[in-house]
Amino acid sequence: NAGVTQTPKFQVLKTGQSMTLQCAQDMNHEYMSWYRQDPGMGLRLIHYSVGAGITDQGEVPNGYNVSRLKKQNFLLGLESAAPSQTSVYFCASQRQGGQPQHFGDGTRLSIL
Amino acid sequence: ILNVEQSPQSLHVQEGDSTNFTCSFPSSNFYALHWYRWETAKSPEALFVMTLNGDEKKKGRISATLNTKEGYSYLYIKGSQPEDSATYLCARNTGNQFYFGTGTSLTVIP
Repeated sequence: NAGVTQTPKFQVLKTGQSMTLQCAQDMNHEYMSWYRQDPGMGLRLIHYSVGAGITDQGEVPNGYNVSRLKKQNFLLGLESAAPSQTSVYFCASQRQGGQPQHFGDGTRLSIL
Repeated sequence: ILNVEQSPQSLHVQEGDSTNFTCSFPSSNFYALHWYRWETAKSPEALFVMTLNGDEKKKGRISATLNTKEGYSYLYIKGSQPEDSATYLCARNTGNQFYFGTGTSLTVIP
């Protein structure tokens, strides 16, 4: 019973490098979201998806792109990493709008 | 941006004490209010989803109330235990999007 699985768990990048964070859920959930968590701040929504092929911007989308080709996978891309993107990234899924979210274990990303 | 505020930021209580904390949110266009429990080195886990004004939810020693007209929710823990130590997050759900507070960090001292 995997739930929400994020890979990798840790990553160090140099400024300007690109990277894709992967998220997979096995609960057949419609909605998936990416958040970043920074010290002193709550979880902030980057992008979200309400179904395969449908994505939209959240609160802090700049510098990120997403892809949801299949219902079970939601990818977060950094095209040109910047130190300001150093953070812990969480993926979450939910059955539908208004339902509780299920979170992955997070990806700790450092940009040097 | 629809700000969600939680207070206090942190709290230390003795084992056996009861405690409560507050989540405040804009009352306009309310859809749902979620509470999560976040233990260190783990991911947030859902506690309650509350949608109606006056809602009260309970799970064991933890309960929550909701006032959508004035824009607040209280989380109560009765007879705190060391295993209750965690950060408690609330989030305002507008349907598709969640806006999280910064959480209340609870430490229960044995």
